[in-house]
Amino acid sequence: NAGVMQNPRHLVRRRGQEARLRCSPMKGHSHVYWYRQLPEEGLKFMVYLQKENIIDESGMPKERFSAEFPKEGPSILRIQQVVRGDSAAYFCASSPGTRRETQYFGPGTRLLVL
Amino acid sequence: GNSVTQMEGPVTLSEEAFLTINCTYTATGYPSLFWYVQYPGEGLQLLLKATKADDKGSNKGFEATYRKETTSFHLEKGSVQVSDSAVYFCALSEMNRDDKIIFGKGTRLHILP
Repeated sequence: NAGVMQNPRHLVRRRGQEARLRCSPMKGHSHVYWYRQLPEEGLKFMVYLQKENIIDESGMPKERFSAEFPKEGPSILRIQQVVRGDSAAYFCASSPGTRRETQYFGPGTRLLVL
Repeated sequence: GNSVTQMEGPVTLSEEAFLTINCTYTATGYPSLFWYVQYPGEGLQLLLKATKADDKGSNKGFEATYRKETTSFHLEKGSVQVSDSAVYFCALSEMNRDDKIIFGKGTRLHILP
């Protein structure tokens, strides 16, 4: 059973470009979470999604960031018009279905904005 | 709001030394408490968890006890190995809300052979 998969593992963008980060949850998992890890910081919750629904986006910046988890395919975290401060590691986690289940993390996507 | 504070690193120990990484939390009610480990270049892995006061989580020789009276969840291991070198994150989730995990800043651990 493959774990949570994220791609790309490393992404380099110039200021003003768009970044798209993908997350495929573990098989059988219908809940996805995105976290951001700034250098020398812990992970900060961004958004929690179920299939086709955003459940909690309280950690998402108000502008330029969006997330989706379509009925088919991976979850996408999209950052428009990236700025240097967006450089971070972005981790996706998934869980089976209930709120109290353990979250399993992917290897992360390291975004560098030049 | 809820928060987690853990000792700053890096922590450097010799192999077979005793390890303690301190963690305290601020939360309302009875949160669940976790320790996650992040090996170089990898994502986080759940190391252990405790869901109520006085519970002891344990895994791979690591232990942590949920202390409500001191709001602490210190991580301990009796004899560390070089392979334990990683970053360790203390974390909590609010009661009945495991969907939002709040992490500490992490403690980098170096074990010397």
